[in-house]
Amino acid sequence: EDKVVQSPLSLVVHEGDTVTLNCSYEVTNFRSLLWYKQEKKAPTFLFMLTSSGIEKKSGRLSSILDKKELFSILNITATQTGDSAVYLCAVERGETSGSRLTFGEGTQLTVNP
Amino acid sequence: NAGVTQTPKFQVLKTGQSMTLQCAQDMNHEYMSWYRQDPGMGLRLIHYSVGAGITDQGEVPNGYNVSRSTTEDFPLRLLSAAPSQTSVYFCASSLTPLGSPLHFGNGTRLTVT
Repeated sequence: EDKVVQSPLSLVVHEGDTVTLNCSYEVTNFRSLLWYKQEKKAPTFLFMLTSSGIEKKSGRLSSILDKKELFSILNITATQTGDSAVYLCAVERGETSGSRLTFGEGTQLTVNP
Repeated sequence: NAGVTQTPKFQVLKTGQSMTLQCAQDMNHEYMSWYRQDPGMGLRLIHYSVGAGITDQGEVPNGYNVSRSTTEDFPLRLLSAAPSQTSVYFCASSLTPLGSPLHFGNGTRLTVT
């Protein structure tokens, strides 16, 4: 059974801090790992990672995948209150049948002013 | 830019009632899916479709039916609501069944009493 474990489950920081969110996985026929940000409503897409060791970056957010050790991290530098959200990690299998994406529980990030 | 539209936003049902959650996308996406999100359990796949006329079961399909008569629409039917179906339901679509990120609707919060 595919498994995605995120840590920590919750995190409270002050504005300006740097945070690292972790995602480890076990999946057969791995294709990609995705990060989403979920505020009050729909999860919104952040990154898709398919290759090991290549950092994806968008502003203050960055993410990297280690396919040998089966984990990914999401870094947020100089956090702002608008970064407060649940961050979801999901792993995609390389097949069109069955549960294509397996999600972790998420990390609840709270950024205090 | 409507994206993925879900209706209704909120619904309260009594045990045994049936209802349909609507989902429509205007991005010409091949792949559509329904997830439920429960505290401590992450997002779990209910049903999915890789194209019009094709549907299949996900991880937690019992008590739900789907159909995909057009590319745009993917309704989810609850046949006889149970309190265990109290959850937040998300419809999501992607351009292709593999390798492209999911775009989520804003969710339907369903309570079954």
